[in-house]
Amino acid sequence: SQQGEEDPQALSIQEGENATMNCSYKTSINNLQWYRQNSGRGLVHLILIRSNEREKHSGRLRVTLDTSKKSSSLLITASRAADTASYFCATDKAGSYQLTFGKGTKLSVIP
Amino acid sequence: ETGVTQSPTHLIKTRGQQVTLRCSSQSGHNTVSWYQQALGQGPQFIFQYYREEENGRGNFPPRFSGLQFPNYSSELNVNALELDDSALYLCASSSKGQGVRQTQYFGPGTRLLVL
Repeated sequence: SQQGEEDPQALSIQEGENATMNCSYKTSINNLQWYRQNSGRGLVHLILIRSNEREKHSGRLRVTLDTSKKSSSLLITASRAADTASYFCATDKAGSYQLTFGKGTKLSVIP
Repeated sequence: ETGVTQSPTHLIKTRGQQVTLRCSSQSGHNTVSWYQQALGQGPQFIFQYYREEENGRGNFPPRFSGLQFPNYSSELNVNALELDDSALYLCASSSKGQGVRQTQYFGPGTRLLVL
């Protein structure tokens, strides 16, 4: 079953704009991660945020986590055409290495 | 590149047949997880292997089975294939026993089509 729900399902922006994707989940978590997937191929790990963290940065990526609302957001700043991909959030629980994914947000960055 | 490899890249089978998919984990990783990703969906956890034993299983029937070898590579076997088994199968490797480390590194996947 899907734990997370990404919002929006699809997003289309111009190159240089910022892209924000949201993820909501249902049960308590240990960590939340964001992955990128190009054209139905393998998943690339972007960033991990632990349940006791509120915000994390990595290059042009900014992730926030609000455990009280069971939600996270991924911000990609100054987007590039190469950022075009599907983005998934994935959660895990304490003591388990199983990742539970949402359905993803399909991002299109128009040059 | 994650260092995780999968074979074959594509496969076509007919209903009722059996299939074996293979995965080589990233160097230094001792845990392999398998996921099924249907078109337009997020990956769904099938099972995980750690030190050659199944170490957690998702909501998949027993006809989905696996193996992990001493070199930590892994196989996913699916018997009595059904049309709904058509999907991208992803394996992911990680390193258990090193504290809180949940980052899983995914291979490129095997796309299975069942006719």
